[in-house]
Amino acid sequence: GNSVTQMEGPVTLSEEAFLTINCTYTATGYPSLFWYVQYPGEGLQLLLKATKADDKGSNKGFEATYRKETTSFHLEKGSVQVSDSAVYFCAREMKTSYDKVIFGPGTSLSVIP
Amino acid sequence: DVKVTQSSRYLVKRTGEKVFLECVQDMDHENMFWYRQDPGLGLRLIYFSYDVKMKEKGDIPEGYSVSREKKERFSLILESASTNQTSMYLCASRQGTGITYEQYFGPGTRLTVT
Repeated sequence: GNSVTQMEGPVTLSEEAFLTINCTYTATGYPSLFWYVQYPGEGLQLLLKATKADDKGSNKGFEATYRKETTSFHLEKGSVQVSDSAVYFCAREMKTSYDKVIFGPGTSLSVIP
Repeated sequence: DVKVTQSSRYLVKRTGEKVFLECVQDMDHENMFWYRQDPGLGLRLIYFSYDVKMKEKGDIPEGYSVSREKKERFSLILESASTNQTSMYLCASRQGTGITYEQYFGPGTRLTVT
């Protein structure tokens, strides 16, 4: 099939803790992969992306590496801040006539001081 | 900065009403999308428009229609609202077709159908 699976949470961490949000996908071939973030009261915005195997996407201290062996794209950050509290969506490309994006269910993160 | 605006942040409608959700983008983007967001399901594509007056059904088009008479505006229409259409609706736009182009999202409209 063509799907994206991620841990649903909610995840609660203390400030400066290490963050991992797992994401795996099913696909034929090697689709581009994305992480989107949705801050409270806002729409989604692209956080980072990787377009081929072994690529590492990074932005705002977040990183994710495209692992084709494990079909995974886990999101990590070494030291989270209260301002990172948001919902995080893993997503993958699906080649159609209009290049569709398939989103995972989202993982809610709360960072407490 | 790209700006995608949606006409309402919160909307409450009664079963059977006709509902219009409006989305406007200010960056001359060709592609526009309507999604609904439900807990545990992520975002699901309702309709996509790749140009004025052009549209394609997404994954869950049943019960919805769309209109794109002008490039900057993409409307989602619920012909006869039902309680199972209570959800968060997100509009997005993209410069062109192709995964290299980023989707830009509006803040969402939370629709409640009673």
